[in-house]
Amino acid sequence: DGGITQSPKYLFRKEGQNVTLSCEQNLNHDAMYWYRQDPGQGLRLIYYSQIVNDFQKGDIAEGYSVSREKKESFPLTVTSAQKNPTAFYLCASSIQQDTQYFGPGTRLTVL
Amino acid sequence: GDSVTQMEGPVTLSEEAFLTINCTYTATGYPSLFWYVQYPGEGLQLLLKATKADDKGSNKGFEATYRKETTSFHLEKGSVQVSDSAVYFCALRVYGGATNKLIFGTGTLLAVQP
Repeated sequence: DGGITQSPKYLFRKEGQNVTLSCEQNLNHDAMYWYRQDPGQGLRLIYYSQIVNDFQKGDIAEGYSVSREKKESFPLTVTSAQKNPTAFYLCASSIQQDTQYFGPGTRLTVL
Repeated sequence: GDSVTQMEGPVTLSEEAFLTINCTYTATGYPSLFWYVQYPGEGLQLLLKATKADDKGSNKGFEATYRKETTSFHLEKGSVQVSDSAVYFCALRVYGGATNKLIFGTGTLLAVQP
């Protein structure tokens, strides 16, 4: 089955730790995205990548980093510089400017 | 800047009632418009989309018409079911530039009671 997978489903982080969220897709999509969702708010774009080895900051990139070494993978690292990381993180992919499809999400909680 | 405004929820309906969730937008250029649905604890699923004025998107009994004159993309369903209970997001994408960025509304929670 083609689709987008995210792992883990739940993630707990201690203050001052970096954590990495995984996103993998087998849809052969060129573009991938990371969004953050907070309660009662819409999704906000963190980073996006349109091709391998290239990525761009979105609206709320501070405290986050990404890499795009393979077409299928777009991991997101939440660094200790992110002051309020507790949120639901969603990964998406698309064929360039076409419709975005989303993964099931990772819920990150800071202890 | 570009933005999306949705009616605030929660919207509570009885099964088989008619549903309308309002969505209006502000955009430069000619956006594509989307409705996504999010079931509890899950990611977003594309429900329907429209890419130009007067287009009607439809899926699973839901419909929305792209109204350029009123800058609206209201979601409707003639008879809701308990299984339709979810959060619904309206979103727009403006063509041009280097990004395929989606701009989302804040979401509307729909609760359908048996």
